[in-house]
Amino acid sequence: DVVLTQTPSILSATIGQSVSISCRSSQSLLDSDGNTYLYWFLQRPGQSPQRLIYLVSNLGSGVPNRFSGSGSGTDFTLKISGVEAEDLGVYYCMQATHAPWTFGGGTKLELK
Amino acid sequence: QVTLKESGPGILQPSQTLSLTCTFSGFSLSTYGMGVGWIRQPSGKGLEWLANIWWDDDKYYNPSLKNRLTISKDTSNNQAFLKITNVDTADTATYYCALTIAAISTLFDYWGQGVMVTVSS
Repeated sequence: DVVLTQTPSILSATIGQSVSISCRSSQSLLDSDGNTYLYWFLQRPGQSPQRLIYLVSNLGSGVPNRFSGSGSGTDFTLKISGVEAEDLGVYYCMQATHAPWTFGGGTKLELK
Repeated sequence: QVTLKESGPGILQPSQTLSLTCTFSGFSLSTYGMGVGWIRQPSGKGLEWLANIWWDDDKYYNPSLKNRLTISKDTSNNQAFLKITNVDTADTATYYCALTIAAISTLFDYWGQGVMVTVSS
């Protein structure tokens, strides 16, 4: 199975600070069809996960543009340009290039 | 407006079969590109993908559950189902269903609120 390693596991930030989360894959996530099936989700405390980004860098509907995704192959990054209080929670990357689909272990974003 | 809601037994005993239902509205699972997946999360832990079913009845499973999973759908009644046979305490988790609207490209656009399942003797 593909292992997704997220760093850091805990991220402390102040409101307005820009932060980045890394997601490193044990295998390349570039599919033979040319797409890279890498997604980012946020799970706020006590809530269901919500998808933020699909196909590495595409912002989901209604997702603020302070979120951005980048990367290729095995290394991916989620950046938040100016953390807001509603951004606190646990972030997960997920891959669907290789079966079975797998999630990273999560990065908890908390207030400093 | 898209909504999904999971339902299940709440508590069951080891070796029993867990039957989960995802009841949804605002879309049809017969529409091209649509799919419903099941994901679970033990308390305080991360997410694990279990299975997915697509509009054309194509199905995918996580092999780590060793053929214990069966996913199905009832398009006319706007429901999707997941069965897990021979459960044990490791299957205790919150189970989510999630909708995909544009095949694998967008994946899990909408999520249900989750249903807690406890396996205990």
